Amino acid sequence: AIRITQSPSSLSASTGDRVTITCRASQGISSYLAWYQQKPGKAPKLLIYAASTLQSGVPSRFSGSGSGTDFTLTISCLQSEDFATYYCQQYYSYPWTFGQGTKVEIK
Amino acid sequence: EVQLVQSGAEVKKPGESLKISCKGSGYSFTSYWIGWVRQMPGKGLEWMGIIYPGDSDTRYSPSFQGQVTISADKSISTAYLQWSSLKASDTAMYYCASPGGYSSGPIDYWGQGTLVTVSS
Repeated sequence: AIRITQSPSSLSASTGDRVTITCRASQGISSYLAWYQQKPGKAPKLLIYAASTLQSGVPSRFSGSGSGTDFTLTISCLQSEDFATYYCQQYYSYPWTFGQGTKVEIK
Repeated sequence: EVQLVQSGAEVKKPGESLKISCKGSGYSFTSYWIGWVRQMPGKGLEWMGIIYPGDSDTRYSPSFQGQVTISADKSISTAYLQWSSLKASDTAMYYCASPGGYSSGPIDYWGQGTLVTVSS
């Protein structure tokens, strides 16, 4: 199975900050990577797919980049509603696998 | 509008069997893959497996192969996740989730989750 290493596991930031989360795959996955946001008690929500394509309705302050094994999610100007946990996921091959998650907390 | 609606919370004892459901609507049920994702209390997301209701093609994560069974009933547009003998470690939130018609696609659609509690 492809392992996904996500970092950091948590971070503290202030509204307006730029935040970067990274995922590294144990082997090349082309651009078959998605990012999700999950808030407490809710199902995850798709933010970005194909490594860099913004899902419809997702604010443009979210962006994704990378291909192969190294990927990044950037939130350019953190808003109060962005405090949540973020996961990356590879869908290049079965079994699909998720990163461990990054909890973005208020500083 | 695509919707995945899951069955309600369950409280079971170790050793009991359980089948939870996920009903799809707003699309052709036989044309979309449906999978299951586990989230243990306070932990991350784990992909369990996926089924294509059109031909029952099913793929499991090795971590869950033999531990659960994924199935679907086309006649009532419902997918299932079942256990024959629950353990306390099966306590978790379970989400059904669909990448739409793609066997390799991001998960666009999520159910609301079914909380399973296994306790003696």
